[in-house]
Amino acid sequence: GQNIDQPTEMTATEGAIVQINCTYQTSGFNGLFWYQQHAGEAPTFLSYNVLDGLEEKGRFSSFLSRSKGYSYLLLKELQMKDSASYLCAVMDSNYQLIWGAGTKLIIKP
Amino acid sequence: EADIYQTPRYLVIGTGKKITLECSQTMGHDKMYWYQQDPGMELHLIHYSYGVNSTEKGDLSSESTVSRIRTEHFPLTLESARPSHTSQYLCASSDPGLDTGELFFGEGSRLTVL
Repeated sequence: GQNIDQPTEMTATEGAIVQINCTYQTSGFNGLFWYQQHAGEAPTFLSYNVLDGLEEKGRFSSFLSRSKGYSYLLLKELQMKDSASYLCAVMDSNYQLIWGAGTKLIIKP
Repeated sequence: EADIYQTPRYLVIGTGKKITLECSQTMGHDKMYWYQQDPGMELHLIHYSYGVNSTEKGDLSSESTVSRIRTEHFPLTLESARPSHTSQYLCASSDPGLDTGELFFGEGSRLTVL
């Protein structure tokens, strides 16, 4: 079966750096997505990786290793507004998105 | 901000009632989706559409139906609501022309069936 694994919850301190990991086993691979979802709100797109390596976008970076079935989202200079759930999703060979359950990130002052 | 709208945002309804959740987007996107999401759980695809007159069932059809008569409109109907249908329903759209294929989500419809 297809599976996306990410930690359920993480806690970090304001101003610090946090890395959220995602491992996947899917039938085929056509890209990996990270979305941010604040409580009670809709998910919003953060990043897309289809080739191995690091994609940087401001305070957020996303890394992909296709051979290891592994990605991480790196958040720098954490702000209180970064408290949210972070969803990892993989597009499989049928171009359908397989979603992880999300990682709830708690930022403490 | 994405131009995709869902109504109602919140709905409490009795068992056996028929309901329709509305979703409209003004971006001209061909692909549209309905997802179901419970707290702390992954999104489950209920239905999707590649364009007008195209509808497909996802992994979790949940006894619901959809229609796509117009590009901008993708309503979801539950013929007979049950307590097990209590959940958050998210509508989304995407533009196949975008390299990233990102989804644009509506604000969601939170349904409670008593």
